[in-house]
Amino acid sequence: QVQLQESGPGLVKPSQTLSLTCTVSGGSISSGDYYWSWIRQPPGKGLEWIGYIHYSGSTYYNPSLKSRVTISVDTSKNQFSLKLSSVTAADTAVFYCARGIAAAGTFRWLDPWGQGTLVTVSS
Amino acid sequence: DIQMTQSPSSLSASVGDRVTIICRASQSISSYLNWYQQKPGKAPKVLIYDASSLQSGVPSRFSGSGSGTDFTLTISSLQPEDFATYYCQQSYSAPPTFGGGTKVEIK
Repeated sequence: QVQLQESGPGLVKPSQTLSLTCTVSGGSISSGDYYWSWIRQPPGKGLEWIGYIHYSGSTYYNPSLKSRVTISVDTSKNQFSLKLSSVTAADTAVFYCARGIAAAGTFRWLDPWGQGTLVTVSS
Repeated sequence: DIQMTQSPSSLSASVGDRVTIICRASQSISSYLNWYQQKPGKAPKVLIYDASSLQSGVPSRFSGSGSGTDFTLTISSLQPEDFATYYCQQSYSAPPTFGGGTKVEIK
């Protein structure tokens, strides 16, 4: 049973870069047609897709965040990572990693999700 | 981006009630629509994928229907553990987008 766990600093200063890692256990990150994804949820608000990295190495970023986002994978550690640059208070959110399930070669739904980690942007 | 609109944004219901949540897409998304349940302080969990397919392990009182632009999530008999927020999400075109959520509360 695949499980995901986010890790990283809970507090980031404005204008700095937010960095998070998602560790995958119970399965290899490089096997299977999956889209390893990041999603965020500001406190008390809804869900926003950040982006994903396909097991082939290709990436897709939400155009609203594209200029500030990088998602990468470290297959040796069975991890994938998120970097979000030039953060402001508006980036304060719970960040989730999740596995995107593919069907007919395209992303379809997310399962499972990590438990989420709150990142606060404040000086 | 495809906009997903859920209604109502919240509802109050009693245990045993039949509950229906609506999700409307700003353009046709065929059947590329998923439903998630999120409990307070927890990550979302997929209930229904591809509009009407029940995720393994999800109780059969949950069902989904619809295609094109209009979709529904139905809980046939609300149970105490079903009080949560429900989100729809389209995967027809990138970026994937979520509805604003429907909070199901105890009456």
